Amino acid sequence: ETGVTQTPRHLVMGMTNKKSLKCEQHLGHNAMYWYKQSAKKPLELMFVYSLEERVENNSVPSRFSPECPNSSHLFLHLHTLQPEDSALYLCASSQVQDGYGYTFGSGTRLTVV
Amino acid sequence: GESVGLHLPTLSVQEGDNSIINCAYSNSASDYFIWYKQESGKGPQFIIDIRSNMDKRQGQRVTVLLNKTVKHLSLQIAATQPGDSAVYFCAENDGSGNQFYFGTGTSLTVIP
Repeated sequence: ETGVTQTPRHLVMGMTNKKSLKCEQHLGHNAMYWYKQSAKKPLELMFVYSLEERVENNSVPSRFSPECPNSSHLFLHLHTLQPEDSALYLCASSQVQDGYGYTFGSGTRLTVV
Repeated sequence: GESVGLHLPTLSVQEGDNSIINCAYSNSASDYFIWYKQESGKGPQFIIDIRSNMDKRQGQRVTVLLNKTVKHLSLQIAATQPGDSAVYFCAENDGSGNQFYFGTGTSLTVIP
């Protein structure tokens, strides 16, 4: 089991629903990330939180809203999603100053109906 | 933006043979590279990394080769096993921050 835990593992939601994805890291890292993984596409960076401050947002639609209450927890709040938002949402963490890569969670498989 | 691509989207190898997965990158400033393995239903897992001051690094059954001249990275898996079946991603970092850029992935299938 990795040091990054994501819940739920699977989520089916209607376009008018509001739901949240949760990520928790047990590695003492100081940065956390949300990535979207769609079939046959590279991983798309959605949000970065470094030292609990959001430092980057790659023009993600406002129907995705991140929250990082502390360095160990990261949420992705979802509302009025579209079917094309169906994908695997991956959380990752890293220790920025170490200069090493990410540790990923297992992801949440989201289906929007 | 960055361009990280893999030459082949799928690769099938016989169990026991060696596998080679390739990756091209476009940013000559990239100085740190990672190979990740993603099994079905799981998130990507770190396999091996290499920095730009090296051209080869070996792990257990895996070797990463870096050719900075042609901006090419490869992952070699020795004596491929069924448990090696997965999607393999390369990722690059240009050293300007902690952001990595990922390729689309190569799906490796090991035939028993």
